[in-house]
Amino acid sequence: DGGITQSPKYLFRKEGQNVTLSCEQNLNHDAMYWYRQDPGQGLRLIYYSQIVNDFQKGDIAEGYSVSREKKESFPLTVTSAQKNPTAFYLCASNRRQNTGELFFGEGSRLTVL
Amino acid sequence: GDSVTQMEGPVTLSEEAFLTINCTYTATGYPSLFWYVQYPGEGLQLLLKATKADDKGSNKGFEATYRKETTSFHLEKGSVQVSDSAVYFCALSSPSGNTPLVFGKGTRLSVIA
Repeated sequence: DGGITQSPKYLFRKEGQNVTLSCEQNLNHDAMYWYRQDPGQGLRLIYYSQIVNDFQKGDIAEGYSVSREKKESFPLTVTSAQKNPTAFYLCASNRRQNTGELFFGEGSRLTVL
Repeated sequence: GDSVTQMEGPVTLSEEAFLTINCTYTATGYPSLFWYVQYPGEGLQLLLKATKADDKGSNKGFEATYRKETTSFHLEKGSVQVSDSAVYFCALSSPSGNTPLVFGKGTRLSVIA
């Protein structure tokens, strides 16, 4: 079945540690996105990529980094520079930029201890 | 820039009640409009969409009509069920095609038996 797989589903980290969240899609989509979700704040865009080896900052990119070495993969690293990393992270993709329908993974919940 | 405003929740209804969740938007030109739904612990999934003025999107008993004159895309359902309990997000796709989807902050719906 085609879809988006995020891993891990739950992750705990200590302050000062970097952590990488995985996002893989087998939908042959060109564009991929990372969103952060906090209670009462909806979805906030962290980074997005429209093509391999290219990506753009979203609204809250500080403290995060990404790579897009393969079409199907778009990992997100939450660095120690991110001041408040505890959140629910969602990865999404679509066929090309701005076709509208985004397909989402099931999310990764990161908790900093 | 483009923006979406939706009514704040939470909204609590009894089973079989009528549901309306308001959504208004600000955009230059003619965006496409969407409603996404997020069930507890999951990612978002597309509920319905409309791509031009006066279009009505519908799915699973939910409906929304693209009203250009009032810049609105209100979500309605005639008789909600407990299984409709979720967070609902209104979103728009910029007509310029150069930016990612813009989401509202979400409205949490709880339906009680």
